[in-house]
Amino acid sequence: NAGVTQTPKFRVLKTGQSMTLLCAQDMNHEYMYWYRQDPGMGLRLIHYSVGEGTTAKGEVPDGYNVSRLKKQNFLLGLESAAPSQTSVYFCASRSGVVGYTFGSGTRLTVV
Amino acid sequence: DQQVKQNSPSLSVQEGRISILNCDYTNSMFDYFLWYKKYPAEGPTFLISISSIKDKNEDGRFTVFLNKSAKHLSLHIVPSQPGDSAVYFCAASAGDSGSARQLTFGSGTQLTVLP
Repeated sequence: NAGVTQTPKFRVLKTGQSMTLLCAQDMNHEYMYWYRQDPGMGLRLIHYSVGEGTTAKGEVPDGYNVSRLKKQNFLLGLESAAPSQTSVYFCASRSGVVGYTFGSGTRLTVV
Repeated sequence: DQQVKQNSPSLSVQEGRISILNCDYTNSMFDYFLWYKKYPAEGPTFLISISSIKDKNEDGRFTVFLNKSAKHLSLHIVPSQPGDSAVYFCAASAGDSGSARQLTFGSGTQLTVLP
């Protein structure tokens, strides 16, 4: 009954470092999404996937890459972190038209 | 250009009274609208949704109203409780059943229910 699990929950990176955020869902959902949330703003879509092996760009994709090698996992990578990528990152998966489930978030600080 | 707007960053109401949160949208292709509640350090939690073919949907203390001609929706919480204090996000999606249906979010409204 885990739903959507995000790891890590917190991370501090130095400018230029790389890292990967992992999202895992155990609900067999086809659709998965990565959002970022910044102060005073709503969640903005970074990348999404409509199934295993597929990915597509969202509203704010620059500086990020994603992979969906297994249906249950959706990875978000930062190749060279920048302070502008300091944010809270949320992963979600979906079944049906409105059945979105969100993870609890990863708080990333880039110094 | 924000397609989904929540123009009130904050709202305070007394316990037991009605809370009304508003949301406007510009994209006429949106066909589903959702409200999420978010506590600090947690992910958004689904509250209620409405299809564009309806003008009202009710679930317990929560009712969402949709005015398509005005491109406006509102969430009513009656009666408001201190545990309702959170940030509320309005979101919208468009597309057919096989499409990605990514959500477009408003900027949120911080609701504070005063005891």
